[in-house]
Amino acid sequence: QLQLQESGPGLVKPSETLSLTCTVSGGSISSSSYYWGWIRQPPGKGLEWIGSIYYSGSTYYNPSLKSRVTISVDTSKNQFSLKLSSVTAADTAVYYCARHSPAAGTPFGYWGQGTLVTVSS
Amino acid sequence: EIVLTQSPGTLSLSPGERATLSCRASQSVSSSYLAWYQQKPGQAPRLLIYGASSRATGIPDRFSGSGSGTDFTLTISRLEPEDFAVYYCQQYGSSPFTFGGGTKVEIK
Repeated sequence: QLQLQESGPGLVKPSETLSLTCTVSGGSISSSSYYWGWIRQPPGKGLEWIGSIYYSGSTYYNPSLKSRVTISVDTSKNQFSLKLSSVTAADTAVYYCARHSPAAGTPFGYWGQGTLVTVSS
Repeated sequence: EIVLTQSPGTLSLSPGERATLSCRASQSVSSSYLAWYQQKPGQAPRLLIYGASSRATGIPDRFSGSGSGTDFTLTISRLEPEDFAVYYCQQYGSSPFTFGGGTKVEIK
């Protein structure tokens, strides 16, 4: 059974960079046709897609965050990571990692449990 | 960017009743790449429906999706106690992928 697990600091200071890692188990991140994405949800609010990456390193991002986002992959560790720079309180959210397959026409079918990141001094 | 508008914001129903949730897109959703998710407090969203009408693995047949173009519907034929939650639609046909604002199905 595929499992995803987010990890990283739960508290980040304003103007600093948020860094999270998603570890994939029960399957290979290098599986063809699957993309690996990040989605966030501010407390009490809706969901926002941040961006996605293929195991080859190909990425695509939400234009609303593109200038501050970097997603990378480490196939040797079966992990992918999110960096969000110049954070403000508006970036406080639960961050989820998830798998989807554009080629197969399937959306986010597997999700991590999510990790709350609070931006505060 | 495709904006998804869900209605109603809150649906108050009793167990055993039928729930009908709407999701309207600001432009046509490519290839009917429209999904529905269920989210309970403190949990990640769970995929219910993809491709507008295909149930995800393990999803009970009381959940059904329909629609195309800009108008989509999620129907829960008979509400079970575990179905009271927030439901989100999402389009994944064009980037950026976008989600609706959600419909909360609460116990009346």
